[in-house]
Amino acid sequence: QSVLTQPPSASGTPGQRVTISCSGSSSNIGTNIVNWYQQLPGTAPKLLIFGNNQRPSGVPDRYSGSKSGTSASLAISGLQSEDEADYYCATWDDSLNGWVFGGGTKLTVL
Amino acid sequence: QVQLQQSGPGLVKPSQTLSLTCGISGDTVSSNNAAWSWIRQSPSRGLEWLGRTYYRSKWYSDYAVSVKSRVTINPDTSKNQFSLQLNSVTPEDTAVYYCARVGTYYFGSGSYHPFDYWGQGTLVTVSS
Repeated sequence: QSVLTQPPSASGTPGQRVTISCSGSSSNIGTNIVNWYQQLPGTAPKLLIFGNNQRPSGVPDRYSGSKSGTSASLAISGLQSEDEADYYCATWDDSLNGWVFGGGTKLTVL
Repeated sequence: QVQLQQSGPGLVKPSQTLSLTCGISGDTVSSNNAAWSWIRQSPSRGLEWLGRTYYRSKWYSDYAVSVKSRVTINPDTSKNQFSLQLNSVTPEDTAVYYCARVGTYYFGSGSYHPFDYWGQGTLVTVSS
């Protein structure tokens, strides 16, 4: 059971906009920034968003992040087939004194 | 460009010690702007942070509550690498293990510390 809650799956058609939610509590998302990772099959996770809404160099601006209270969201606009992957949110938890992850959301491009 | 290269056995017997090493290129293990972590991933537990080591005038290590009594993460400055040791393993410790860098990014008035570079992953199976 992951500390952060994500929907297990999401889907969309090419060109659509999809959002993935991440729910936490006051000891994690409510107090700390959220990062998002993309994991393609058989590969290590890749940093997608840091600091709630910042993209590392090389990440397309189709990806955006936001945070409100104890929840965060990842939005992907102009959906493409190569976006089909697992997406994870992560943040620091002050009660556990460690990093925590969401259970992951498998995105399918129909 | 930072690269992390993992090495270590893929099969460990129950009750023995799991040992993995992560070699660093493009950065140094004693950097004052980074921390070095181990994370594992399994179908039953998802992504699980195990701990980190970092240097800020002296060495620090801290660990996840779930493995604190069994885990050690050590830096090796002579080889620019860091290691993971997990004692008394059981089949529940079967997972893909990743090493990762916690980088430092500055934006606005703040600094942010995501896992920005990852090793290739090592599948470790605990079985007799």
